Amino acid sequence: DIQMTQSPSSLSASVGDRVTITCRASQSISSYLNWYQQKPGKAPKLLIYAASSLQSGVPSRFSGSGSGTDFTLTISSLQPEDFATYYCQQSYSTPPTFGPGTKVDIK
Amino acid sequence: EVQLVESGGVVVQPGGSLRLSCAASGFTFDDYTMHWVRQAPGKGLEWVSLISWDGGSTYYADSVKGRFTISRDNSKNSLYLQMNSLRTEDTALYYCAKDGLRSGRGGMDVWGQGTTVTVSS
Repeated sequence: DIQMTQSPSSLSASVGDRVTITCRASQSISSYLNWYQQKPGKAPKLLIYAASSLQSGVPSRFSGSGSGTDFTLTISSLQPEDFATYYCQQSYSTPPTFGPGTKVDIK
Repeated sequence: EVQLVESGGVVVQPGGSLRLSCAASGFTFDDYTMHWVRQAPGKGLEWVSLISWDGGSTYYADSVKGRFTISRDNSKNSLYLQMNSLRTEDTALYYCAKDGLRSGRGGMDVWGQGTTVTVSS
């Protein structure tokens, strides 16, 4: 199985900050990498698919990059509604696997 | 409106059985691979199982293999998860999710609200 790691596991940031979250796969997954946002008590929401494609309806302050084993999710200017936990997930091979999550909270 | 609605979650004793259902609407159900994903209290997301658009291929996490069975009825736009030999570690919120691609290699672009399974004596 492909293992996914994320860093940091948590971070504190202020509104307006640029935030970067890193995801690493244990082997090459090409661009089969997806990012999700989950708020407390809510289902996950797809933000980015195929490493860098913005899901419909997602604000353009979210962006994704990377290929192979190393990927990043960037929030260009953090907004109050962005405080949440973010997960990466590989869809290159079965089983699809999620990273452990990165919690973004208010500084 | 594209929607997934799960049901069937209850409190069950260890060793018991349960069947979860997921009703889909607002999209062509039989065009897409479907998933079950779970989240134990306070924990991250764990993929459980997937089924191809036509039901011809199924896959399971090692943690549930041999105990859970995924199925779908495209005529009813419904997804199911039969859960047998339940263990306390199966306690979680269970989500059904639609894959963005028929192949099953897309992101999970639609999620239900989840149904809670509690395994306890």
